[in-house]
Amino acid sequence: AQSVTQLGSHVSVSEGALVLLRCNYSSSVPPYLFWYVQYPNQGLQLLLKYTSAATLVKGINGFEAEFKKSETSFHLTKPSAHMSDAAEYFCAVREETSGSRLTFGEGTQLTVNP
Amino acid sequence: KAGVTQTPRYLIKTRGQQVTLSCSPISGHRSVSWYQQTPGQGLQFLFEYFSETQRNKGNFPGRFSGRQFSNSRSEMNVSTLELGDSALYLCASSPGAGGGTDTQYFGPGTRLTVL
Repeated sequence: AQSVTQLGSHVSVSEGALVLLRCNYSSSVPPYLFWYVQYPNQGLQLLLKYTSAATLVKGINGFEAEFKKSETSFHLTKPSAHMSDAAEYFCAVREETSGSRLTFGEGTQLTVNP
Repeated sequence: KAGVTQTPRYLIKTRGQQVTLSCSPISGHRSVSWYQQTPGQGLQFLFEYFSETQRNKGNFPGRFSGRQFSNSRSEMNVSTLELGDSALYLCASSPGAGGGTDTQYFGPGTRLTVL
């Protein structure tokens, strides 16, 4: 079964600084990959997903992620953090044979300091 | 379109009771999945329904069950509640068959507290 590792349960950046949230998956067969964001007391919102059309995926709110098969990674970045980016971010994978089922990483809590 | 709705939003129960949570997917979506979110275990998949059939089940005891109705609305039931069942229960719906790169759209969740 697929697994997902998010390095760093807490990341803190200054407003305007680069945001980098790391995600590695376990399989040699690239799964379907997603990044979700969760604001306090809310459900999850899709930021972006890898569809194999391009290795650099652009999402909402200025986020993007790069799929690197050789590193089994799908790291999330944003060039300039905004206070409103403070939230918890989840990387998720879906296997070909698992229907809708998503396997999530442990999550990374992003703090943005003024 | 209205998003995924879940009712109730908050629920307090005592050990040994049972509880039913409801989820209404986005109109036209036929795939509904349920997840449990806790601080210790994170986000864990419970089960998935498609066209009223359970298509996938996570590693949870039989106390956790669900069903889907012909209008795609779904319910999940937890019997004989335990303290460890306290969690945020999230429902998500997907268009089409829900696999591959289909996006799962999440509801706001039901916060269950077991005392």
